Amino acid sequence: NAGVMQNPRHLVRRRGQEARLRCSPVKGHSHVYWYRQLPEEGLKFMVYLQKENIIDESGMPKERFSAEFPKEGPSILRIQQVVRGDSAAYFCASSPFWGNEQFFGPGTRLTVL
Amino acid sequence: GIQVEQSPPDLILQEGANSTLRCNFSDSVNNLQWFHQNPWGQLINLFYIPSGTKQNGRLSATTVATERYSLLYISSSQTTDSGVYFCAAIPPDSGGSNYKLTFGKGTLLTVNP
Repeated sequence: NAGVMQNPRHLVRRRGQEARLRCSPVKGHSHVYWYRQLPEEGLKFMVYLQKENIIDESGMPKERFSAEFPKEGPSILRIQQVVRGDSAAYFCASSPFWGNEQFFGPGTRLTVL
Repeated sequence: GIQVEQSPPDLILQEGANSTLRCNFSDSVNNLQWFHQNPWGQLINLFYIPSGTKQNGRLSATTVATERYSLLYISSSQTTDSGVYFCAAIPPDSGGSNYKLTFGKGTLLTVNP
C-alpha cells in the first residue's frame, strides 16, 4: 500500500515566484490536511479538504495561499508571490474518515531565496 | 484550545539504552498520535493511541486518557532512533473542528554509538 506521496520533496523559488506543492493521499482516503512547520513555530494546521471541497482553511494565510483537492488528481497547495517567510516544511496528511488517524507524507521543504 | 506539552525537550543516550518520553495534554482527547521526524525531515507515523497501550518492535506507547498523558517508550535505542519525537492531539469537542491536530514542541533525541 502506498502511503501519502508528496512532491517535490525540495523546492527552491525566488521571491515573487509561485510554488505548487502536490499531495496524493493514501488510496481510498478522501480527507486531506495540510500542515506547515516553521523553524520557530512548530507544526501548525493550515487547511482541511475533502474531495472538491474546502472544509476549513482557518490556518492558512488569507493572502497568496490557496488549496484544492479536485475530483481527480492530487491535492495542490499553491503559494503565489512567495516571500522569504514562506520558507518552511509543508506536510500533507490524509485519513479515511473525519477525525480518524492522520497519515503523514514525507513533506516538501520550500526554500525562498 | 488544547495545550500539548512534551518532556524532556532534549535527551542524549548511548546506544542500547532505554528511554521514556512524556506528553501531557490539557483536555480529554479523541485522537492522540506519536510521530518521529528523522534527520532528513520526514515525519513518520508511530502510533495512533487515544487510550490504552500499543507495541511495535522496540517502541511502545501508553495513553492514560483520564490523567491526560501519554508515554512513548524506546528500548535498546539505536542511532537510527535519533530525531525529534512529536506528540499531537485532537480533543473531542473543538467547536466543530475535531480534525486539527495540535502538536507539542517535540523531544530531540540523540543516540550516540
